[in-house]
Amino acid sequence: DTAVSQTPKYLVTQMGNDKSIKCEQNLGHDTMYWYKQDSKKFLKIMFSYNNKELIINETVPNRFSPKSPDKAHLNLHINSLELGDSAVYFCASSQEGPLRREQYFGPGTRLTVT
Amino acid sequence: DQQVKQNSPSLSVQEGRISILNCDYTNSMFDYFLWYKKYPAEGPTFLISISSIKDKNEDGRFTVFLNKSAKHLSLHIVPSQPGDSAVYFCAASANYGGSQGNLIFGKGTKLSVKP
Repeated sequence: DTAVSQTPKYLVTQMGNDKSIKCEQNLGHDTMYWYKQDSKKFLKIMFSYNNKELIINETVPNRFSPKSPDKAHLNLHINSLELGDSAVYFCASSQEGPLRREQYFGPGTRLTVT
Repeated sequence: DQQVKQNSPSLSVQEGRISILNCDYTNSMFDYFLWYKKYPAEGPTFLISISSIKDKNEDGRFTVFLNKSAKHLSLHIVPSQPGDSAVYFCAASANYGGSQGNLIFGKGTKLSVKP
């Protein structure tokens, strides 16, 4: 019944490794997002995908790449992990409409790079 | 250059009283505003939103007020309950070219409701 799910919930890895975080939504939404919550607790948009097209791409290092195999999934791949990548990553989804812009969030993935 | 500011990092309120959480923004292009609630180790949960064409939106115990001239919005919770204890995030969005814009979040206010 979970609307937006992410796996894994916790991820501990070493610098230089490549890792992926998976996200799935069963709400039938057409846009999905990735956010990063850093140590200062700011939630910042990283990417969004609408109908398999990247429509927002903030100033995120190209070591981060979103991959969307279908409308219900948006996975986040991170290459050559760095200490500064340690954060909580949230996936979200929304259904675009003229009057509503709510986004629905997953539970988050806490990434720790050692 | 924070476009959305929540200047109170924490707020403590007695159960049954009103909680008022404040949010200021700087970007005059923002035309949609949202409040999210977040418990530890969980994702933000959508609470209530308001379009810039309105100045008030109410949903049960939650009311959001928007003052566009002051670029200020507030969330009122009445009566406050211990289960309302959480971090509350204010977010804003601008509609560029007919597409949904980014949600820009404030830093959050931690609300504690004491029994």
